[in-house]
Amino acid sequence: EAGVTQFPSHSVIEKGQTVTLRCDPISGHDNLYWYRRVMGKEIKFLLHFVKESKQDESGMPNNRFLAERTGGTYSTLKVQPAELEDSGVYFCASSQVSAGGQYFGPGTRLTVL
Amino acid sequence: AQSVTQPDIHITVSEGASLELRCNYSYGATPYLFWYVQSPGQGLQLLLKYFSGDTLVQGIKGFEAEFKRSQSSFNLRKPSVHWSDAAEYFCAVALQTGANNLFFGTGTRLTVIP
Repeated sequence: EAGVTQFPSHSVIEKGQTVTLRCDPISGHDNLYWYRRVMGKEIKFLLHFVKESKQDESGMPNNRFLAERTGGTYSTLKVQPAELEDSGVYFCASSQVSAGGQYFGPGTRLTVL
Repeated sequence: AQSVTQPDIHITVSEGASLELRCNYSYGATPYLFWYVQSPGQGLQLLLKYFSGDTLVQGIKGFEAEFKRSQSSFNLRKPSVHWSDAAEYFCAVALQTGANNLFFGTGTRLTVIP
């Protein structure tokens, strides 16, 4: 069974540019989560999808971040325009049941110059 | 406010020695508890979890954790560390009601020396 995959593994962009991160959850997992780790800090929750619906987006930092999960399969997280403080590692996780323990992808390291 | 504390940023142990990584949480009620490990270049892997019942939980790779309600702790242990255990370890909690997103500690980096 394939795990959670994320693309790209690393992205370097300049301030003001747009970046789109993609996450493919484990097949059959209705729950999909996005997290972010800024250097030296803890991993923080961004948002939670149940199928294609946003269940909780209380962790999204601001309106420069837009997450979608069309069709309830893969998800994208777009940052537009990117700022320096957006640099960090963005993790995606999925689970079959919401409280069952989440399976994480390898993360996308975003560097904004 | 809710918080998860991992007081040790970096720990170094010799191969074959025992290991204990500390985790304390601050919540209104007992949450679900997890330990994850991240090896270099890898995603976070779930080591073990506690929902209820027996307070000593066995996980993968020979790890175990003990939930102590009186101390609000969920420390991770391994009796004999292997060089391949070198990684970063994260304690995480989730509320038992409402949102199920994880709250993480800042992580503990483990170095294993021969």
